[in-house]
Amino acid sequence: GESVGLHLPTLSVQEGDNSIINCAYSNSASDYFIWYKQESGKGPQFIIDIRSNMDKRQGQRVTVLLNKTVKHLSLQIAATQPGDSAVYFCAENRGNTDKLIFGTGTRLQVFP
Amino acid sequence: GAVVSQHPSWVICKSGTSVKIECRSLDFQATTMFWYRQFPKQSLMLMATSNEGSKATYEQGVEKDKFLINHASLTLSTLTVTSAHPEDSSFYICSARGQQPSRHGYTFGSGTRLTVV
Repeated sequence: GESVGLHLPTLSVQEGDNSIINCAYSNSASDYFIWYKQESGKGPQFIIDIRSNMDKRQGQRVTVLLNKTVKHLSLQIAATQPGDSAVYFCAENRGNTDKLIFGTGTRLQVFP
Repeated sequence: GAVVSQHPSWVICKSGTSVKIECRSLDFQATTMFWYRQFPKQSLMLMATSNEGSKATYEQGVEKDKFLINHASLTLSTLTVTSAHPEDSSFYICSARGQQPSRHGYTFGSGTRLTVV
């Protein structure tokens, strides 16, 4: 099956700081991207999405940036809180299918 | 709205037995369901895509005779792990897509932790 990544990088931040989580995607035909948060033992939880006709989208405390030139996606979390501690995944939808392919996750650890 | 229920949340089975995992869309009709497998500290790996009333499409490297998927109705898909072995121990997650309130279109279940002993 399709999968990306055999390791899980970790980002450690202090409570109140901003966090930036990065993701590289592989398929230039992908036109829809989603960021998910996954807590231990649970399914992925939707955070924010963006379509390829945009390069930035903002939500509550979160911003997603899309750079199609270098196939890069980032998630910015403002004023990170302990409750933000989790694993974050980007996922891409490859245009002509319904399939959602997940990228390598990043574990976010928030310290008080 | 857009809730997907996955059952059981965890299961322990003996090697050689089969285990069935259910994925239900509670408040919408799921025309497409996806099954993922996730090993510890790894990403979600897509196993197969199922459309209501038709055979599932498996990803490369996924054994269709071992992981039986049935999507008999617009609200239910099942994954059966046949003749389970310890290496099948993993976290299995379903996702549903269809005509639903969720604006982003993919709703995930809470996952099933399978342990084969």
